[in-house]
Amino acid sequence: AQRVTQPEKLLSVFKGAPVELKCNYSYSGSPELFWYVQYSRQRLQLLLRHISRESIKGFTADLNKGETSFHLKKPFAQEEDSAMYYCALGGMGNTDKLIFGTGTRLQVFP
Amino acid sequence: KAGVTQTPRYLIKTRGQQVTLSCSPISGHRSVSWYQQTPGQGLQFLFEYFSETQRNKGNFPGRFSGRQFSNSRSEMNVSTLELGDSALYLCASSLMSSGNEKLFFGSGTQLSVL
Repeated sequence: AQRVTQPEKLLSVFKGAPVELKCNYSYSGSPELFWYVQYSRQRLQLLLRHISRESIKGFTADLNKGETSFHLKKPFAQEEDSAMYYCALGGMGNTDKLIFGTGTRLQVFP
Repeated sequence: KAGVTQTPRYLIKTRGQQVTLSCSPISGHRSVSWYQQTPGQGLQFLFEYFSETQRNKGNFPGRFSGRQFSNSRSEMNVSTLELGDSALYLCASSLMSSGNEKLFFGSGTQLSVL
């Protein structure tokens, strides 16, 4: 069965500290992984996807098929990074169906 | 370009009633998918429509249904509402529904069932 696990409900760090939000997935096929973010009072939006191999707002994520992980990292957290982060699994054929993790709330203190 | 628009923003219904939610995708987008978001279950996939055809369906009872019109606008309907249907219902659109596309989400419809 397809599943996405985000083990931390809340991650609190101070500004300037490194951040790593964990994501593990379960899928027997060829996965497409995404990170979506929801800032306070804003709609859910795509942060990055593994197929693009890009860095957005200083965040990066590497797909590790051996460990079935797609952890989100940023070397120096900023206060404006405080938000809810969702890891999502797609790539299940020609469909937009995503399996979301339960989300991690990132709090960055000044 | 206008974003994904969902109406209404809030709805209050009582058990047993039915409700229809509407979603207008970004102009040119042909795929619309729906998600239910609750504090307990998180974001769960309901169904997806592409060119007026249901392409995929999540594990929800038959009380949940949807459709898509020729202009790509979509509606979802929930009949015989139950207390557990209280949730934020999110709609998302994409260009081609290829499995690795960026989804654009609406602000959602907050449904409260009393």
